[in-house]
Amino acid sequence: DGGITQSPKYLFRKEGQNVTLSCEQNLNHDAMYWYRQDPGQGLRLIYYSQIVNDFQKGDIAEGYSVSREKKESFPLTVTSAQKNPTAFYLCATGLGSYEQYFGPGTRLTVT
Amino acid sequence: SQKIEQNSEALNIQEGKTATLTCNYTNYSPAYLQWYRQDPGRGPVFLLLIRENEKEKRKERLKVTFDTTLKQSLFHITASQPADSATYLCALAYNTDKLIFGTGTRLQVFP
Repeated sequence: DGGITQSPKYLFRKEGQNVTLSCEQNLNHDAMYWYRQDPGQGLRLIYYSQIVNDFQKGDIAEGYSVSREKKESFPLTVTSAQKNPTAFYLCATGLGSYEQYFGPGTRLTVT
Repeated sequence: SQKIEQNSEALNIQEGKTATLTCNYTNYSPAYLQWYRQDPGRGPVFLLLIRENEKEKRKERLKVTFDTTLKQSLFHITASQPADSATYLCALAYNTDKLIFGTGTRLQVFP
């Protein structure tokens, strides 16, 4: 956890609604990441950003969008185009390929 | 594409014994290999990093080895304790951008 906060911890939404997950950090790290974790699967990279106002798609970006207007913040929007949005979402910061620091996660349930 | 294999079956050991977890990968060796601990419902926590030119790295009761010939890393916890029970993830870094995570192995230490 450390200097990374994610809110809320649990989130419930109806199918067809967009929802935005918050991620804030005070570690002064340039890089920030969003992962999705499903039962029995590893962490899969959704989007990442190495600098303000720039971000790249990860392996499963479809149905998601991000912004990086401030160094401290990297919100993730799960759009209605995401076919299976129910999952555990993890935000992380890091120093490139060195260790990453993870937030506590947000568990999203869409019904 | 790169594939990482960690034993999906849980590892059950008795307190005081040494736990050994395996991480195998395909294709070319990463520049860095990392191990993380994840408790249920929480974000992963970084434990150790080993570089491709290092054979072994130690931290307290933890030891990591890296064999680029076998394409394998072993993660050891000596004198294991019930508090060591968690899921352990290995992650590979090939460049400065991002990590690729394995699915993790759940360790259960019984008193």
